[in-house]
Amino acid sequence: GDSVTQMEGPVTLSEEAFLTINCTYTATGYPSLFWYVQYPGEGLQLLLKATKADDKGSNKGFEATYRKETTSFHLEKGSVQVSDSAVYFCALSGTEGGGADGLTFGKGTHLIIQP
Amino acid sequence: DAGITQSPRHKVTETGTPVTLRCHQTENHRYMYWYRQDPGHGLRLIHYSYGVKDTDKGEVSDGYSVSRSKTEDFLLTLESATSSQTSVYFCAISPGGRGTEAFFGQGTRLTVV
Repeated sequence: GDSVTQMEGPVTLSEEAFLTINCTYTATGYPSLFWYVQYPGEGLQLLLKATKADDKGSNKGFEATYRKETTSFHLEKGSVQVSDSAVYFCALSGTEGGGADGLTFGKGTHLIIQP
Repeated sequence: DAGITQSPRHKVTETGTPVTLRCHQTENHRYMYWYRQDPGHGLRLIHYSYGVKDTDKGEVSDGYSVSRSKTEDFLLTLESATSSQTSVYFCAISPGGRGTEAFFGQGTRLTVV
């Protein structure tokens, strides 16, 4: 079945550092890919998405490119802020013939940004 | 704001008791989902619905049932709660339909003692 693998962390960085959170996936067909962010005590918020190969999703300074050849969707940000501290989830959509509906999530990466 | 309300937000219940969690949406979207979130597991799909009275199982459906008698409400029932069902439960909708992004409620923290 479909699966998503991401580093769990915690990942600790200093403010203004460059961020990369790796995400790789296994899927039949051609899924859409997503990054979600979860702040403490809250639900998940969609951060960005890409629906086909070579698409780049971007939002709030974060970017990720759908790489079909490496089955990856790594999240990057050039200069992180303390307010970016949160848990980040990589996810993919169900594909035709791929079983149950809904999204398949990675285990989440806890990001801590120190002043 | 995705227009999703979950209730209750917190609940403590005893082992063996039935528990029902409610998800209410303000729009008439077909696709609704229940997930559970546990440390080290991310989010896992419990059940989903693609219309009134149309539901199906997800990855971790054992011990759970769902009902959807109205488009706006999707109920998750734990028939006989166990400690392994202590978790945070999230409801989600996909306005764009199957295979599109999901928007989540605020979650229900359930503790089974």
